[in-house]
Amino acid sequence: DVKVTQSSRYLVKRTGEKVFLECVQDMDHENMFWYRQDPGLGLRLIYFSYDVKMKEKGDIPEGYSVSREKKERFSLILESASTNQTSMYLCASYSLGRVNNQPQHFGDGTRLSIL
Amino acid sequence: AQKITQTQPGMFVQEKEAVTLDCTYDTSDPSYGLFWYKQPSSGEMIFLIYQGSYDQQNATEGRYSLNFQKARKSANLVISASQLGDSAMYFCAMREGPPGANSKLTFGKGITLSVRP
Repeated sequence: DVKVTQSSRYLVKRTGEKVFLECVQDMDHENMFWYRQDPGLGLRLIYFSYDVKMKEKGDIPEGYSVSREKKERFSLILESASTNQTSMYLCASYSLGRVNNQPQHFGDGTRLSIL
Repeated sequence: AQKITQTQPGMFVQEKEAVTLDCTYDTSDPSYGLFWYKQPSSGEMIFLIYQGSYDQQNATEGRYSLNFQKARKSANLVISASQLGDSAMYFCAMREGPPGANSKLTFGKGITLSVRP
C-alpha cells in the first residue's frame, strides 16, 4: 500500500513564524501536491511538483512556498504565518501512468492553527 | 465557472438504503477522469471510485457505483446498502488531459452524508 506521511497531525504556531509542513511518500511517485481544506470551500491546490526541484503554482500559492530536494519529500513553507492560514493541510502523491485512473494518495492531514 | 459542482449541502439516509450523491462537471477536454473520495471525521481522504471519459460502462467498486451521464456532464455516486460507517464527507474531483499528462485534480466543495440507524 502507498504510504503518504505528514509530519504532524496537529500544529500550533504564532503569527509571523516560519512554518514547515513535511510530507514523505514511499512509492517513488513523481507527482506531489499540497492542498488546504476549509469548510465550505473544499480542497484548494496550493502548489504541486512533478519532479525533483520542479514546482508549479496551484490556485492559491500566495503566502506559501515549497521545496522538493528529494523525490520522496515535498515540503510546504509558510514564510510568515498569518491567522488566515489556519486550516487543514493535505499532502498527496500519485504516479504517472499510461492510463488516467491513477488516484492521488493522501496523507492524514495537518490541522494547523496560527495564533 | 466552477469545474466541479456539488450542490447538495447535506444528505441523510436510513441505514441499509441506497443514496445518490450528485456531481456535475465542466470541461472542454475530451479526455478526463472523474474520482470520488470519502473523508471521515478523522480527516484522511479515501479513494473510492474512478470513471474515465472514454469508459463505455459505469464504474463499480463493491457498494459504490458511478452513474456517469456524459452528455449531461454528471457523475453521481451511488452507495447501496448504506452503513453507519458511510457517514462522512464525499468529494468529487476531475483530472483533465490525456493519460500520462501531468495534471492536477480539481475538487468540488463536498457533500456531507449522515447515515441514520
